[in-house]
Amino acid sequence: NAGVMQNPRHLVRRRGQEARLRCSPMKGHSHVYWYRQLPEEGLKFMVYLQKENIIDESGMPKERFSAEFPKEGPSILRIQQVVRGDSAAYFCASSRGQTMNTEAFFGQGTRLTVV
Amino acid sequence: KQEVTQIPAALSVPEGENLVLNCSFTDSAIYNLQWFRQDPGKGLTSLLLIQSSQREQTSGRLNASLDKSSGRSTLYIAASQPGDSATYLCAVGPPQGGSEKLVFGKGTKLTVNP
Repeated sequence: NAGVMQNPRHLVRRRGQEARLRCSPMKGHSHVYWYRQLPEEGLKFMVYLQKENIIDESGMPKERFSAEFPKEGPSILRIQQVVRGDSAAYFCASSRGQTMNTEAFFGQGTRLTVV
Repeated sequence: KQEVTQIPAALSVPEGENLVLNCSFTDSAIYNLQWFRQDPGKGLTSLLLIQSSQREQTSGRLNASLDKSSGRSTLYIAASQPGDSATYLCAVGPPQGGSEKLVFGKGTKLTVNP
């Protein structure tokens, strides 16, 4: 059973470009979470999704950021018109059920560098 | 608002020593607490998950305890090895009735010297 798969592992974008980060949850997991880790900071929650539904996006910046988890395929975190401050490690986690009851498993992360 | 603090921020010990990492949280109404390990440039590896009804969990040389009423958890590592060198993160599960997000501390960076 493969773990949570994220790609790409490293992504370099110029200011103003779009970044698309992908996350395939573990087999049998229907809950996906995105977190961001800024340099010297802890992981911060961004968004929680189930298939075709955004459940909680309270941690997402109001502009330029969006997330989806379609019926088929991976979850996508999309950042439009990237700026230097978006440079960070973005982690995806998945769980079989709600985190209140089950363990969350994390991917290796995508390290975004904006130049 | 839940806040998680980990002390110390960094710890350096000689190989073979037993050590304790501390985690405190401000809102005791939690469902669970999870300890993770993060190696440089890598993802998070789940170490132990303690449900709010439990007092401790053990896995090999690791033992995690939870005192919900005082808002504290400890991760005990026995007979430390150089391979244990990593950043250890504590994450608190959602409060009753809250959202599903985990709230993380900033971590304790552990170095075990041969």
